[in-house]
Amino acid sequence: SQKIEQNSEALNIQEGKTATLTCNYTNYSPAYLQWYRQDPGRGPVFLLLIRENEKEKRKERLKVTFDTTLKQSLFHITASQPADSATYLCALEGTGNQFYFGTGTSLTVIP
Amino acid sequence: GAVVSQHPSRVICKSGTSVKIECRSLDFQATTMFWYRQFPKQSLMLMATSNEGSKATYEQGVEKDKFLINHASLTLSTLTVTSAHPEDSSFYICSARDLRGINEQFFGPGTRLTVL
Repeated sequence: SQKIEQNSEALNIQEGKTATLTCNYTNYSPAYLQWYRQDPGRGPVFLLLIRENEKEKRKERLKVTFDTTLKQSLFHITASQPADSATYLCALEGTGNQFYFGTGTSLTVIP
Repeated sequence: GAVVSQHPSRVICKSGTSVKIECRSLDFQATTMFWYRQFPKQSLMLMATSNEGSKATYEQGVEKDKFLINHASLTLSTLTVTSAHPEDSSFYICSARDLRGINEQFFGPGTRLTVL
């Protein structure tokens, strides 16, 4: 069966450090992978999309890598700030135009 | 980015009643919208794909007679939870894809349903 797993439920890091979140999937062959941020009680907000032929994508302090051989994506936040504290979700497209989300990682950046 | 609204944001109802949740794309047309359910500290679970002008596609394990979806126009989809029970209490979120963009989904703010 298809699965999308993210490394840990919760991740605590010190302000200024780089946070690295992992997304692993099985039984998918995605053309692209997306990362979203969700704050408590709100809907997710799109952050980045990376295609299967792209190894790396950057947007300001965010960096995403995509390894289709390992079936893994890494999401990095450099120079992390307390405002980066949120739940981060990866998402893959299914065969019918729909998206499936990973289990999510709750990131807390400690001042 | 594109904006998706949801109404109501919170609803409390008695067991056995039906609740309708609206999802609107405000500045773009969405032929496809998605409905998710999220329990506390869990990820989003896709319930169904709502297609304008045709029947919704439900995920395995989601009862279509329990969760009625109507996508009446290119900017509006509704989810009706029929004969709600306490176990239906959850956070319901809709999303829409703006096909002019890069396939990202734009999410509504969510609806917190509490069934007493």
